[in-house]
Amino acid sequence: NAGVTQTPKFQVLKTGQSMTLQCAQDMNHEYMSWYRQDPGMGLRLIHYSVGAGITDQGEVPNGYNVSRSTTEDFPLRLLSAAPSQTSVYFCASRKGGADTQYFGPGTRLTVL
Amino acid sequence: KEVEQDPGPFNVPEGATVAFNCTYSNSASQSFFWYRQDCRKEPKLLMSVYSSGNEDGRFTAQLNRASQYISLLIRDSKLSDSATYLCVVKVRTGANNLFFGTGTRLTVIP
Repeated sequence: NAGVTQTPKFQVLKTGQSMTLQCAQDMNHEYMSWYRQDPGMGLRLIHYSVGAGITDQGEVPNGYNVSRSTTEDFPLRLLSAAPSQTSVYFCASRKGGADTQYFGPGTRLTVL
Repeated sequence: KEVEQDPGPFNVPEGATVAFNCTYSNSASQSFFWYRQDCRKEPKLLMSVYSSGNEDGRFTAQLNRASQYISLLIRDSKLSDSATYLCVVKVRTGANNLFFGTGTRLTVIP
């Protein structure tokens, strides 16, 4: 199993540009989540999904959209990038009811 | 905040014993974990924390439900233990039920 994969690993955007961060998992996990991690702030939940077709907002959803058309994929869209969205983004998945959360390797995003 | 940790950093010599603490605010918390995050990498599960306390080699985790307090003890520190340690709490209800502390950074010095 590849586990949780994320692309790209690094990205530089200009203010106002849009882009999609890709996330996929091959473990047939129901739950998938997107976090951002900033120095001193820890991991903050952006959006999450409990299954295909179901998504919900986390702690910091503004400026981001998600969709979950399949169990495997959970892309995160930045609608109009802002410098405040400069961060490291982690996608994660876990089986419903299970305790262990598996994280992808992260995407380092810089918005100029 | 649901989970509070001392951010450190903790700088300890090789062979030292070091302890990290974590407090949580939700009395409905059900499960407890320590995750480890290496520099510029993703967090990974280190160990679960059980009510009676548990060991995994040089690592000992303790839980005090009455005080809503979790600890991680590392004995005989190795250079390879240098990382950030995240305290994680799972509450009983809701799909969004995992809460992460901000992490405690450990550097083991030769």
